[in-house]
Amino acid sequence: SQTIHQWPATLVQPVGSPLSLECTVEGTSNPNLYWYRQAAGRGLQLLFYSVGIGQISSEVPQNLSASRPQDRQFILSSKKLLLSDSGFYLCAWSVLGRGPKGDTQYFGPGTRLTVL
Amino acid sequence: AQTVTQSQPEMSVQEAETVTLSCTYDTSESDYYLFWYKQPPSRQMILVIRQEAYKQQNATENRFSVNFQKAAKSFSLKISDSQLGDAAMYFCAYRPKYNNNDMRFGAGTRLTVKP
Repeated sequence: SQTIHQWPATLVQPVGSPLSLECTVEGTSNPNLYWYRQAAGRGLQLLFYSVGIGQISSEVPQNLSASRPQDRQFILSSKKLLLSDSGFYLCAWSVLGRGPKGDTQYFGPGTRLTVL
Repeated sequence: AQTVTQSQPEMSVQEAETVTLSCTYDTSESDYYLFWYKQPPSRQMILVIRQEAYKQQNATENRFSVNFQKAAKSFSLKISDSQLGDAAMYFCAYRPKYNNNDMRFGAGTRLTVKP
């Protein structure tokens, strides 16, 4: 079965500091990978998605960047955090058209980021 | 543009009773997927149910079922025999069939289950 991991689970960082959040998927190959942000009491906003190693698409211009150095690894980064970067960050994966739940996005446990 | 609207910010239900959460969406596509996700206090998003727009039959998963009205662009979630563990935020989501990367979420409905 497939599992998705995110770390750290919780992070408190000062304004201006760098950021690196990691997401890894097990039990599947060549997944599509996604980074979402959820502000307090709000829905999800897609930040980045990737269809393969080194292939990153950005949905929202911002202070963040993403990278995919390996097939099942997705990293969210920032060189200098802003207060507005606080939120809950979710990684998700999907595999096109396989099985009864193909094309469905499955989410990791999330990282709660607080920028002070 | 596709948008997803959940008009009920909060709902409550008595344990063992039935509750229906509303969702409407706007799209010009004819083929798409609709989803309901549950987000408990742990914050992890859990898939509850998935509906393919070209299927007329409403999806069901144990105590969870949907009422999919394609012409009305409505996709409500019915939870039967509500349990305390059903308390969570519920998000409705839409995705065009041929664009795996264009998932749109509603703002969510917070469901409280009263013992």
